[in-house]
Amino acid sequence: DGGITQSPKYLFRKEGQNVTLSCEQNLNHDAMYWYRQDPGQGLRLIYYSQIVNDFQKGDIAEGYSVSREKKESFPLTVTSAQKNPTAFYLCASSGRQGPYTEAFFGQGTRLTVV
Amino acid sequence: GDSVTQMEGPVTLSEEAFLTINCTYTATGYPSLFWYVQYPGEGLQLLLKATKADDKGSNKGFEATYRKETTSFHLEKGSVQVSDSAVYFCALSDRGGGGNKLTFGTGTQLKVEL
Repeated sequence: DGGITQSPKYLFRKEGQNVTLSCEQNLNHDAMYWYRQDPGQGLRLIYYSQIVNDFQKGDIAEGYSVSREKKESFPLTVTSAQKNPTAFYLCASSGRQGPYTEAFFGQGTRLTVV
Repeated sequence: GDSVTQMEGPVTLSEEAFLTINCTYTATGYPSLFWYVQYPGEGLQLLLKATKADDKGSNKGFEATYRKETTSFHLEKGSVQVSDSAVYFCALSDRGGGGNKLTFGTGTQLKVEL
């Protein structure tokens, strides 16, 4: 079945460590996104990529990094520079063109700093 | 920039009650509009969408009409069920040079009781 797979579902990180969240899609979508979700704040865009080997910062990119070496994959690294990384992270993808620009979401990764 | 404003929750209803969740938006162009639903601990699922003025999106008994004159996309359902309990997000898609990024409202939690 086509879809987006995020792993792991739960992740624990010690302060000062970098950690990488995985996101893979088999929908043949050009565009991929990373959102952060905090209680009462909705979803905020971290990074997005419209095509392989290209990506742009979203609204809250500080302390995060991404890569897009393959169309199917868009991993997110939460670096030690991110001061408050505990959150629910959602990856999404969408077709780059067309009137229906709906995004499909993964099941999310809950990151906790211990 | 683009923005989405939703009514605050939680909204608590009895089963079979009528539901309205208000959503208004600000956008420079002609965005596509969406309602997403999130069940506890999961990612977001597309509920319905509309791409131009006066379009009505509908799914699973939920409806929303794209009102350009009032910049609104209110979600309605005639008779809610306990299984509708979830968080509902209104969103718009900027189809300009920034790709198909989604801008989300803060979400409205719906609780349906017997």
